Amino acid sequence: DQQVKQNSPSLSVQEGRISILNCDYTNSMFDYFLWYKKYPAEGPTFLISISSIKDKNEDGRFTVFLNKSAKHLSLHIVPSQPGDSAVYFCAAKGSQGGSEKLVFGKGTKLTVNP
Amino acid sequence: KAGVTQTPRYLIKTRGQQVTLSCSPISGHRSVSWYQQTPGQGLQFLFEYFSETQRNKGNFPGRFSGRQFSNSRSEMNVSTLELGDSALYLCASSLVPARMDNSPLHFGNGTRLTVT
Repeated sequence: DQQVKQNSPSLSVQEGRISILNCDYTNSMFDYFLWYKKYPAEGPTFLISISSIKDKNEDGRFTVFLNKSAKHLSLHIVPSQPGDSAVYFCAAKGSQGGSEKLVFGKGTKLTVNP
Repeated sequence: KAGVTQTPRYLIKTRGQQVTLSCSPISGHRSVSWYQQTPGQGLQFLFEYFSETQRNKGNFPGRFSGRQFSNSRSEMNVSTLELGDSALYLCASSLVPARMDNSPLHFGNGTRLTVT
């Protein structure tokens, strides 16, 4: 049962344009959301996060939007750069079965073309 | 500050063997989590250790086990290896367990395990 879904395995964008990566979740107990970026042969690195009490968080070129009613979050990268080409993982955190869980999606591979 | 260090980087084993992977967290971090990444499956949580005790466990068979030492270093062991165990195993550290705050995890570069 996939509780965190990234339905687009891949996304290709032109340099300078906006990249929008989407993530859906099913568990209403999730209250904190994070995005990680992963380059080949490296571990994931934290990018940006958002608490469920907010609907937007911005950090430079990266903005995360949260729509709690739709159980949907998205990561916007503006403008996209070739160095942003990586796999992006959405993660959701919350209490489940008495313990705190951090659940990752399967990832979206972003390719930014020069 | 040194990052999370995982050894070895690559490992090739045959079915039925066992394997031990090692993880040294960032200095001062006391919580260590392990994840398995396979193609198309994302990162799946294995377990979390804090103060030498397993605090949380994912849905993996008992062949997967771990431990944490007093210096916060952690090891993960997989016994009776199966072909499906081929994956990238990632270790992540944080100051405290996930249930205590929302600090992001710091990941190592992983150990690529191939089972033949």
